[in-house]
Amino acid sequence: SQTIHQWPATLVQPVGSPLSLECTVEGTSNPNLYWYRQAAGRGLQLLFYSVGIGQISSEVPQNLSASRPQDRQFILSSKKLLLSDSGFYLCAWSDGETEAFFGQGTRLTVV
Amino acid sequence: RKEVEQDPGPFNVPEGATVAFNCTYSNSASQSFFWYRQDCRKEPKLLMSVYSSGNEDGRFTAQLNRASQYISLLIRDSKLSDSATYLCVGYLARQLTFGSGTQLTVLP
Repeated sequence: SQTIHQWPATLVQPVGSPLSLECTVEGTSNPNLYWYRQAAGRGLQLLFYSVGIGQISSEVPQNLSASRPQDRQFILSSKKLLLSDSGFYLCAWSDGETEAFFGQGTRLTVV
Repeated sequence: RKEVEQDPGPFNVPEGATVAFNCTYSNSASQSFFWYRQDCRKEPKLLMSVYSSGNEDGRFTAQLNRASQYISLLIRDSKLSDSATYLCVGYLARQLTFGSGTQLTVLP
């Protein structure tokens, strides 16, 4: 069966520090991968999605970047965090047609 | 205009009530649709898929109206445990687009 792993679960980082969140998928190949952010009490905002290795589409210009170095690995990064980067970050995968599955999320607080 | 729009609520209903959520989408080429449920501080989880013919799962009924470009979710005999945020989701060109979610609170 397919599983998705996302870590860490919680993170507190100072302003200006770098960020690296990792997401890996097991049990499937060539998944569509997504990074979402959810601010407190708000909906899901699509940040990046990828349909293959090295293929990244950015939905919102911001302080973040994403990479897909392997088929089932998706990394969200920042060189210098801002206070506004705080939020709940969710990784998801899908086959492009049916339901999407989410990781358990990373709650990031920038202080 | 957002590609997928939902009434954010909140909807506060008593136990046993019937509640309906609607979601509209702007791109007629959108393909598959789903309803997700998100509990506070948790990841979204699939509630049900949505088909043009309508589909039912226990107390939940989902319907897709392609002519009017909306999807709906009906919850009958609501339970306290139904309290959550409900998200509608559409696919377009293999990209998932989420509505902002509708918050439901079922009151005792």
